[in-house]
Amino acid sequence: LAKTTQPISMDSYEGQEVNITCSHNNIATNDYITWYQQFPSQGPRFIIQGYKTKVTNEVASLFIPADRKSSTLSLPRVSLSDTAVYYCLARFGGSQGNLIFGKGTKLSVKP
Amino acid sequence: EAGVTQFPSHSVIEKGQTVTLRCDPISGHDNLYWYRRVMGKEIKFLLHFVKESKQDESGMPNNRFLAERTGGTYSTLKVQPAELEDSGVYFCASSQGWTGLRYSYNEQFFGPGTRLTVL
Repeated sequence: LAKTTQPISMDSYEGQEVNITCSHNNIATNDYITWYQQFPSQGPRFIIQGYKTKVTNEVASLFIPADRKSSTLSLPRVSLSDTAVYYCLARFGGSQGNLIFGKGTKLSVKP
Repeated sequence: EAGVTQFPSHSVIEKGQTVTLRCDPISGHDNLYWYRRVMGKEIKFLLHFVKESKQDESGMPNNRFLAERTGGTYSTLKVQPAELEDSGVYFCASSQGWTGLRYSYNEQFFGPGTRLTVL
């Protein structure tokens, strides 16, 4: 199973771009990199998933270099409401599906 | 479209009692998962259903935990008898799985969780 390593916490100001990098040195060739967001007293919420290169959706971008040993979640122009814990997960996209959560990165956005 | 719902939102019971948690997944999602977070720890996988079948129950801590998904719709997780260390937040999630175009097992929709307190 791939083990992910990410910062414990990060601080940012409103309007800034936030990049959270996750290391996953032993990722399998068929692992996807998935990011989740969790607010207090809520269940985790899927943000984005990627396999290689760059993926962008309406809320974030995910950059994955060619060696796939790391990935960077990019949140453009964060607001106070983006204050949450962000989890990086590397999981097989086939018949397994159970997610393995780490400690996550606690992002604090300040005015 | 309704999201994943869980009932109750909070349950307080005494050690030795029985508690049953319920999860209603998103309609049409064949995959249903149970996770839990005990105090100060990471969210841990418990069980994965595909329709009514248990695909993976490797995360179930012991035989005091019983999960069912009759008819492949809602699921229940029963703890009998409850112990102090069972306290935590129990999350349920569902996913579509294979959409016909891509795998979406990792795109799981989580419910708000049930907070279980065992005294």
